[in-house]
Amino acid sequence: AQRVTQPEKLLSVFKGAPVELKCNYSYSGSPELFWYVQYSRQRLQLLLRHISRESIKGFTADLNKGETSFHLKKPFAQEEDSAMYYCALITPHASGTYKYIFGTGTRLKVLA
Amino acid sequence: GAVVSQHPSRVICKSGTSVKIECRSLDFQATTMFWYRQFPKKSLMLMATSNEGSKATYEQGVEKDKFLINHASLTLSTLTVTSAHPEDSSFYICSAREAGGFGNEQFFGPGTRLTVL
Repeated sequence: AQRVTQPEKLLSVFKGAPVELKCNYSYSGSPELFWYVQYSRQRLQLLLRHISRESIKGFTADLNKGETSFHLKKPFAQEEDSAMYYCALITPHASGTYKYIFGTGTRLKVLA
Repeated sequence: GAVVSQHPSRVICKSGTSVKIECRSLDFQATTMFWYRQFPKKSLMLMATSNEGSKATYEQGVEKDKFLINHASLTLSTLTVTSAHPEDSSFYICSAREAGGFGNEQFFGPGTRLTVL
């Protein structure tokens, strides 16, 4: 079954501390994974995708096929990083396009 | 960047009435639009995928006659909740995939809060 698991509903860290938001997936094919972020009262927006291997706002995420994980990391958390983070997996869809499977999300709170 | 709008942002209606929610891609053409439902403190659940000019593909468990989706143009998709009941109260979010765009990124609308009394 195709599934995305984010085990932590809430993660609280102090400003300046490292952050790791966990994401594990279950998918038989070659996965394409994303991290989306939703700041308070704002829409969901793309943070990064694994195929780009980019760093956005200091965040990075490495796809580990052996562990079927795509954890999101940042070495030094900032207060403005407080938000809801969703991990998402793309899978082929019956409509001929692709669809996202979202994890349940992790709320990150960065404390001053 | 690509912008998706939704209208209305929130709507309150009486039980038994129908509500239409619009999703527009403002500065790009979207061959595919997606409709999600988000329950409080839970993830986004895909309801249906609509391709311009063809019938929507609904996810298992989503009533086609309850949630009517129309994607008449490359910039507009509508979701109509027919004969709404209190259990339909939720946050509905649409997203759009740009035609010929890079990768499989979806651009999300701000959402519509539906409250059925």
